[in-house]
Amino acid sequence: EPEVTQTPSHQVTQMGQEVILRCVPISNHLYFYWYRQILGQKVEFLVSFYNNEISEKSEIFDDQFSVERPDGSNFTLKIRSTKLEDSAMYFCASRNTGPTYEQYFGPGTRLTVT
Amino acid sequence: AQTVTQSQPEMSVQEAETVTLSCTYDTSESDYYLFWYKQPPSRQMILVIRQEAYKQQNATENRFSVNFQKAAKSFSLKISDSQLGDAAMYFCAYKRTSGTYKYIFGTGTRLKVLA
Repeated sequence: EPEVTQTPSHQVTQMGQEVILRCVPISNHLYFYWYRQILGQKVEFLVSFYNNEISEKSEIFDDQFSVERPDGSNFTLKIRSTKLEDSAMYFCASRNTGPTYEQYFGPGTRLTVT
Repeated sequence: AQTVTQSQPEMSVQEAETVTLSCTYDTSESDYYLFWYKQPPSRQMILVIRQEAYKQQNATENRFSVNFQKAAKSFSLKISDSQLGDAAMYFCAYKRTSGTYKYIFGTGTRLKVLA
């Protein structure tokens, strides 16, 4: 069965550094999402992406964050200058067209900012 | 704004017994979707069960069933005949029927299954 994959599984970076989290959605899916979960807190929506543009973003998704689908298969989340509070698990998800279709999630990338 | 609350951070159940995980939500909309996702350790979230708000009948998937109380805005998950493989984090999620269909999650309930 097709799966969403994410790399790396764990990323450690220093404050102020740029990180890129990578996701490979399911191949025929058209809608893509990033969520994050700070330890012990809710899974929070960051951004949704469709037709090569952002369709919705949350308040968390400020100018530090950007998303891209560079090659038709990868979907990336970039954090330009990481902060301690960016430490979290980041989940990528994708889904097919139509409101009834559920999202399929990747295993997550644990980002640790030191 | 919609919110989802899971008031049980952790639950335990004996193997072969039944356990119910609670979820409440708040919304002003009349039509929406509710989900339970399971996240085993170090694995991705997978869909357990889905409920459309316009359907009065409670969804069932094998050993998993929900008790959907729309007026009370309650959506609990019942796991019957619990198995060791059911041990995981369980997330309740809400999705609108319009817009970007983003999910709004609860904080999760960690389920331990005791042999």
